[in-house]
Amino acid sequence: QSALTQPASVSGSPGQSITISCTGTSSDIGGYNYVSWYQQHPGKGPKVMIYDVSHRPSGISNRFSGSRSGNTASLTISGLQAEDEGDYYCSSYISSTTFEVVFGGGTKLTVL
Amino acid sequence: EVQLVESGGGLVQPGGSVRLSCVASGFTLSHYWVTWVRQAPGKGLEWVANIKEDGSERFYLESVKGRFSISRDNAKESVYLQMTSLRLEDTAVYFCARSPPAFDVWGQGTLVTVS
Repeated sequence: QSALTQPASVSGSPGQSITISCTGTSSDIGGYNYVSWYQQHPGKGPKVMIYDVSHRPSGISNRFSGSRSGNTASLTISGLQAEDEGDYYCSSYISSTTFEVVFGGGTKLTVL
Repeated sequence: EVQLVESGGGLVQPGGSVRLSCVASGFTLSHYWVTWVRQAPGKGLEWVANIKEDGSERFYLESVKGRFSISRDNAKESVYLQMTSLRLEDTAVYFCARSPPAFDVWGQGTLVTVS
């Protein structure tokens, strides 16, 4: 199973909005409503920011939103803040019986 | 506080073995699947294996089948990853995570270096 495709890097100024794309196939992103997005800071474990395509866990700012169109999922961060800087990974189930997951290659977000 | 704590990593020679542990606190581990995810130095995340709440089902990444074994002891709130016949490419930080549908609780990771 190939990794999902994400841009290697994105950047934005404080207050701006950015969008990170995640492209897969009909066997992953397009086939399941189980797309998640994770934020990771250096030396830390990942933190879920979006699950089930567009749902935010309790405690996650509404500045984070997720969507999907066909085989491509997107994470949008509005009102960029310095603490948003880090690595972001998308993921999707590839099996609803084994719960096996494929991740994207990761996108480094830089807040200028 | 809900958390997972991994341990057991270290330096191991190619062909060697190591056993990782993942201990839960602040929630009942037996109610959840648990997944191991790894991250090679400077690289992205890779799903490795998972285990059902009662241990009756276990699934593995193709490249680790026959070499890695995931198990759990719910009485000890623990999940384990036994890694054998280790290869250079298994070098990574190994995270355990609570699931599904999303991985909503992660540990801090434990580094396994095969060299």
